[in-house]
Amino acid sequence: EDQVTQSPEALRLQEGESSSLNCSYTVSGLRGLFWYRQDPGKGPEFLFTLYSAGEEKEKERLKATLTKKESFLHITAPKPEDSATYLCAVRTKNSGGGADGLTFGKGTHLIIQP
Amino acid sequence: DVKVTQSSRYLVKRTGEKVFLECVQDMDHENMFWYRQDPGLGLRLIYFSYDVKMKEKGDIPEGYSVSREKKERFSLILESASTNQTSMYLCASSLKAYGYTFGSGTRLTVV
Repeated sequence: EDQVTQSPEALRLQEGESSSLNCSYTVSGLRGLFWYRQDPGKGPEFLFTLYSAGEEKEKERLKATLTKKESFLHITAPKPEDSATYLCAVRTKNSGGGADGLTFGKGTHLIIQP
Repeated sequence: DVKVTQSSRYLVKRTGEKVFLECVQDMDHENMFWYRQDPGLGLRLIYFSYDVKMKEKGDIPEGYSVSREKKERFSLILESASTNQTSMYLCASSLKAYGYTFGSGTRLTVV
């Protein structure tokens, strides 16, 4: 059974304090790893897709990386507006939702204090 | 800007009522999904659809049904609402092999 585990569950940082969020996965046949940001009371918003080990993607203060067993979302010099829940999801041949389904982790709740 | 629109942000319904949650996408996506999101449980797939009039059960379909009469619209139906169906409901759509675009969610409370 495919599994996606995100850690930590919650993270509190000071503004400007860089850190990383982890998404580890145990899947058969990875066909893509996705990062989403979710603000309270809203739907998830797409950030990145990674397809192969060694791939990296960047957007403003965020950088996502992928290895064969995990992905990291690095946040550099974060600001209070980066506070959100960050979700990781994988697409595999076994994902719920058929060939195009995603299996989600439970998320990391990130708080950036001024 | 592409959009997935859910008809209600907040709903309060009584136990036993039949509840309709509507979702419309303007991106001509083939695939549409309904998830519910609960604290500590994450996103759980209820139903999905590959095409008009096609539907497939997800991980937690019990107590729910769906309808997709037009490509852009995917409805979730709670046949007889119960308090354990109080949750955030999220609709999403996708093109094949791409990630999802989510709606803003509907916070449903069943009293």
